[in-house]
Amino acid sequence: AQSVTQLGSHVSVSEGALVLLRCNYSSSVPPYLFWYVQYPNQGLQLLLKYTTGATLVKGINGFEAEFKKSETSFHLTKPSAHMSDAAEYFCAVINNAGGTSYGKLTFGQGTILTVHP
Amino acid sequence: GAVVSQHPSRVICKSGTSVKIECRSLDFQATTMFWYRQFPKQSLMLMATSNEGSKATYEQGVEKDKFLINHASLTLSTLTVTSAHPEDSSFYICSARETSRETQYFGPGTRLLVL
Repeated sequence: AQSVTQLGSHVSVSEGALVLLRCNYSSSVPPYLFWYVQYPNQGLQLLLKYTTGATLVKGINGFEAEFKKSETSFHLTKPSAHMSDAAEYFCAVINNAGGTSYGKLTFGQGTILTVHP
Repeated sequence: GAVVSQHPSRVICKSGTSVKIECRSLDFQATTMFWYRQFPKQSLMLMATSNEGSKATYEQGVEKDKFLINHASLTLSTLTVTSAHPEDSSFYICSARETSRETQYFGPGTRLLVL
């Protein structure tokens, strides 16, 4: 079974400050990991993903995440927050181990990012 | 690329009526589509997995006779909420995935309000 834990349901930063959203996963097989962003009353937009290869993954809007197998983490960062980054962020892991759950995403609980002027 | 649309974006209906939600992949063929439900301030809950040309696979606790899913083509899946009740009010989101690709692309969601 796979699971995702996002530490901190709410994160608040000042505009221009570093953004760090934490995600830890549990997986019995090498994971494929994703970060999605959701703006109010909208669907999810893919920010970035890790499948194989380079462990530092760059995504859209200046976000990046680093896969750390030893820490089972996939934290999302952005050097300088912008007001438009205010949204809810979801970390997710996909089941690529086969079986009836193959291809299904397991989401974390979500982290609401607030950016103050 | 990889655009998924949903229609309608919001719907209000009376209790006891049925509501159909469409999910379309606009620029790719989606052999698999997923239907999620999201309650306020909560994460997404997978309801069912829909494969083109076959019956949907429902998650535990999801009533298949209540939430009818049809995936008749490689670009269209529909979710019908039958005999809707106020407790079915929620935000329904679909996603689509290409064959042998791991990434799911999400639709913009449908807000259902049952009065």
